[in-house]
Amino acid sequence: QSALTQPAAVSGSPGLSITISCTGTTSDIGGYNYVSWYQQHPGEAPKLMIFDVSNRPSGVSDRFSGSKSGNTASLTISGLQAEDEADYYCSSFTSGNPLVVFGGGTKLTVL
Amino acid sequence: EVQVVESGGRLVQPGGSLRLSCAASGFSVSYNYMNWVRQAPGKGLEWVSVMFSGGSTNYADSVKGRFTISRDNSNNTLILQMNSLRVEDTAVYYCVKAYCSTSSCSPHAFAIWGQGTMVTVSS
Repeated sequence: QSALTQPAAVSGSPGLSITISCTGTTSDIGGYNYVSWYQQHPGEAPKLMIFDVSNRPSGVSDRFSGSKSGNTASLTISGLQAEDEADYYCSSFTSGNPLVVFGGGTKLTVL
Repeated sequence: EVQVVESGGRLVQPGGSLRLSCAASGFSVSYNYMNWVRQAPGKGLEWVSVMFSGGSTNYADSVKGRFTISRDNSNNTLILQMNSLRVEDTAVYYCVKAYCSTSSCSPHAFAIWGQGTMVTVSS
């Protein structure tokens, strides 16, 4: 099972919106609604931002939203803020091994 | 407060063994889906293993046959026994609890992360 495909880097200006894509296959993203997104600041543990494609855990800003179309999931961050600058990882349940596969990560730079 | 704290990481030689522990507080490891996820230096996240609430387990192919996940219910602790360690096992190892709300759980969403424990495999 290969890692999910994410862009290595994205950037955006404060107040604007960005979208990070995450592409898999019918064996993972396309076959199940079990996509999650994580935010990781340097030196810190990841933080769950979105689960089950589009659900936000309590306490996560509604500026973060998730969606899925076919084999591609997306994370959109609206109203960009300086503290959003971080690495973002997608993950999905898979029908094979590993049980959960991650994307390679996307570095978000807030200009 | 719901939290997990990992321990046990250190420098070990290739072929050696190591036992990681994850002490949980604010919840019971025996009633939750508990995972180990690792991150090699400067690299991305890699799922390693899961123990389901019913006791069944699953492993990534990269560690199958070498790592064993278990739990100590009396001490509310998750354990990862790592044998036949390789240089490529070098990483920060995170203990992670799956997401649960008051009404349901999402077993493949990783909600509660520890600070991680560093495992270095080198001669």
